[in-house]
Amino acid sequence: SQQGEEDPQALSIQEGENATMNCSYKTSINNLQWYRQNSGRGLVHLILIRSNEREKHSGRLRVTLDTSKKSSSLLITASRAADTASYFCAASGGSNYKLTFGKGTLLTVNP
Amino acid sequence: EPEVTQTPSHQVTQMGQEVILRCVPISNHLYFYWYRQILGQKVEFLVSFYNNEISEKSEIFDDQFSVERPDGSNFTLKIRSTKLEDSAMYFCASSAAEGHEQYFGPGTRLTVT
Repeated sequence: SQQGEEDPQALSIQEGENATMNCSYKTSINNLQWYRQNSGRGLVHLILIRSNEREKHSGRLRVTLDTSKKSSSLLITASRAADTASYFCAASGGSNYKLTFGKGTLLTVNP
Repeated sequence: EPEVTQTPSHQVTQMGQEVILRCVPISNHLYFYWYRQILGQKVEFLVSFYNNEISEKSEIFDDQFSVERPDGSNFTLKIRSTKLEDSAMYFCASSAAEGHEQYFGPGTRLTVT
């Protein structure tokens, strides 16, 4: 079964720095979606990248997808303390487009 | 901006009791999902629902679970006889079409004692 797995598991940076999180998955996908979750709260949708896309931007977010390596990365530029959260990738595939989540990367941005 | 809503935000129930978790998906969305997240673990898929029927369910979604869209706006998850291991955050999600963004609600934290 396909599976999103992020690394690193935890990342601590200073405000203003860039944060890069990686995700790997195991089988073919239709798309890959990134979410943010503040502690104990809901999942906020960040960005979707389709299997035929290689890069996508949204504000300070940049997502890349390499289907040959079955991997994706999320880059947050010019990080802010408010970006502190857990970030998850979720791989979507199969006939019903269910999402398979990784364990997430806990990002801490220090002011 | 339209959003998925869920009620209640927190439900405490005793083992063996029935619970119904409620969701109002985004109004023009056609695809509905339930996921759960046990504390400290991954978000796990439970079930997908389209055109008034289940389109896929996971191994977790056994005979104790059921879903229903009783009217044009609500989407419910029922657990008939709760177990301690059902304690988790339950998320509802909806999507406008297959392969589109899935938007999640804020979740219902279910605690089974």
